[in-house]
Parts: sequence; C-alpha cells; structure tokens
Amino acid sequence: KQEVTQIPAALSVPEGENLVLNCSFTDSAIYNLQWFRQDPGKGLTSLLLIQSSQREQTSGRLNASLDKSSGRSTLYIAASQPGDSATYLCAVSPPGGAQKLVFGQGTRLTINP
Amino acid sequence: GAGVSQSPSNKVTEKGKDVELRCDPISGHTALYWYRQSLGQGLEFLIYFQGNSAPDKSGLPSDRFSAERTGGSVSTLTIQRTQQEDSAVYLCASSHRADTQYFGPGTRLTVL
Repeated sequence: KQEVTQIPAALSVPEGENLVLNCSFTDSAIYNLQWFRQDPGKGLTSLLLIQSSQREQTSGRLNASLDKSSGRSTLYIAASQPGDSATYLCAVSPPGGAQKLVFGQGTRLTINP
Repeated sequence: GAGVSQSPSNKVTEKGKDVELRCDPISGHTALYWYRQSLGQGLEFLIYFQGNSAPDKSGLPSDRFSAERTGGSVSTLTIQRTQQEDSAVYLCASSHRADTQYFGPGTRLTVL
C-alpha cells in the first residue's frame, strides 16, 4: 500500500528566504506526482505535476524535483513571500490509468513579514 | 474558463438523514474524482469516474456511500443514514485523461 510522508509538518520562516519542502513515498511505481497548495477553508490548487519519466518541473519561483528510485520529491520555493503561506500537499498516483491520488498529510508553511 | 464547482458549500444535517453532494466538473474533462478530507485521516480517495463509469470505487467507506455521474458531466455523491464520523470536507476534482487534477472548493458536511 502506497504511503506518502511529508516533513516537516509545519514550517515558519522569515520573508525572503529560500526553502525546501520534502515528500517521500514508499512505492516507487508511480504514474506522476503533484504538488498542491491549500489555503484555509479552501480547495486545492495544483502547483506542479511531474510525470514519472521527468526529473523536475518549474513554475515561477517554484521548482519541484522527483527521484523516483529513492521515493523522494522536493518543492523548492525561492524568495518566499507572505502570500506563500498555506498548506502544501504532495500526492502520487499509481500506474495503470486510474489516477486516484494518495496524499501526504501536508506541510503548513508560514512566511513571516 | 469556469473551474470545478460544488454545492452546497456547507451542509448541516442530523444523524440518520440522507445527503446529496453535487459536483460540476470542468467542461470537457472526462475523469472525475471524489475525495474526503477529515482531521484525523487527511485527504482520502473515494471514487473515480471515467465518463459515466466508475472503474474504481475502492475508497468508498461503506455501502451507505454511493455516487453517480450522468452525461459525462455532473456527479452526485449520496450518503445514506449519515453518521457523525461522516463529518468532513468532500472534495471533487476533474481532469482531462491522466493530466493534472483540478479541485473544487469542497462541501463541508457536519452531522449532528
């Protein structure tokens, strides 16, 4: 059974810092990996999707990497801003076409002005 | 364009009553998913639709839960004889084939 773990559970940093969020998964047989953000009381917003054949994806100040063999992904946020404060969720989908996502518990990020 | 919409946004019901939750996916998205987010369990997959068929119902917690999708579009999640442990946020997502999943704002269900 696939399990996804995110460390740390919470992180607080001053504005402007670069930071890394970690995600690990137990079964390397994945179809893709997605990073989401969730604001309090809201749904999920997709940030980046990495196919299993890819090593990384970039969008603006965000960069996500994938090392499938070791079961790890990282989300790098450059020059953090207070608006980046949210919960960040990592999710993997199994191979075979049924794209149900298995989520980690999330990292609650606070950027202090 | 319009995103995934869900209704109602909040639902308070009494234990034992039935509830229906609705999801309108992004137009043209063939795949639709239901997830549940609760404090103790995090985000859990419930059911997946491809068109009107549900090839994966493995996440439905009991036979009190059912879902259908009509016209390859709108989906309804029905919970019969609600229990307090059904209280959670129910999230719907849609995608085009095996692409990025786009989530709706969710329905917060409270069972008293």
